[in-house]
Amino acid sequence: GESVGLHLPTLSVQEGDNSIINCAYSNSASDYFIWYKQESGKGPQFIIDIRSNMDKRQGQRVTVLLNKTVKHLSLQIAATQPGDSAVYFCAETGANSKLTFGKGITLSVRP
Amino acid sequence: DAGVIQSPRHEVTEMGQEVTLRCKPISGHNSLFWYRQTMMRGLELLIYFNNNVPIDDSGMPEDRFSAKMPNASFSTLKIQPSEPRDSAVYFCASSFAGTNYGYTFGSGTRLTVV
Repeated sequence: GESVGLHLPTLSVQEGDNSIINCAYSNSASDYFIWYKQESGKGPQFIIDIRSNMDKRQGQRVTVLLNKTVKHLSLQIAATQPGDSAVYFCAETGANSKLTFGKGITLSVRP
Repeated sequence: DAGVIQSPRHEVTEMGQEVTLRCKPISGHNSLFWYRQTMMRGLELLIYFNNNVPIDDSGMPEDRFSAKMPNASFSTLKIQPSEPRDSAVYFCASSFAGTNYGYTFGSGTRLTVV
């Protein structure tokens, strides 16, 4: 799952700090959103999802926020760890089940 | 469940040869997606199936690419003839359509066309 080499924006954070990764989506008809994490050599891995009837959802150390007014999605990672270093993608879908990905952001955790 | 299973993991072939990538979706999932990931274009949806029927193939680059899903547990993506610009990582994913739930990806096939 080779996201290595993609010329993506990079977010660099200190280990232990909180990370916020942002995503703007384009389709106002989308009603389901997913954050994926992709490590080198692997496929995208599901992190957390949210439906359009919610504006916040929490998981273990992760929170997703959805602002439908401005079509903005964010992923918050609490107490970022070295194992969180990866490329993160937001994805959106609607009634047609067609899952469309954003460009991705590289998260780099400094020890 | 073993997840979405793709084969082969790596494929190196010469330009002009036929390449077939394989995918076994998660049992019970009724939607299947083929994606391509490259440095330049990121993750692109090539085609997806609902209940074994192709729904949207607008992402298929050209006629050299074809995909089939003969049954609920197997799909193939074929490139004939292959070209160096087809070199990429190809992912298969499956989900349960209708609920938009459980989009799960395989580990991908890294294709190199020389």
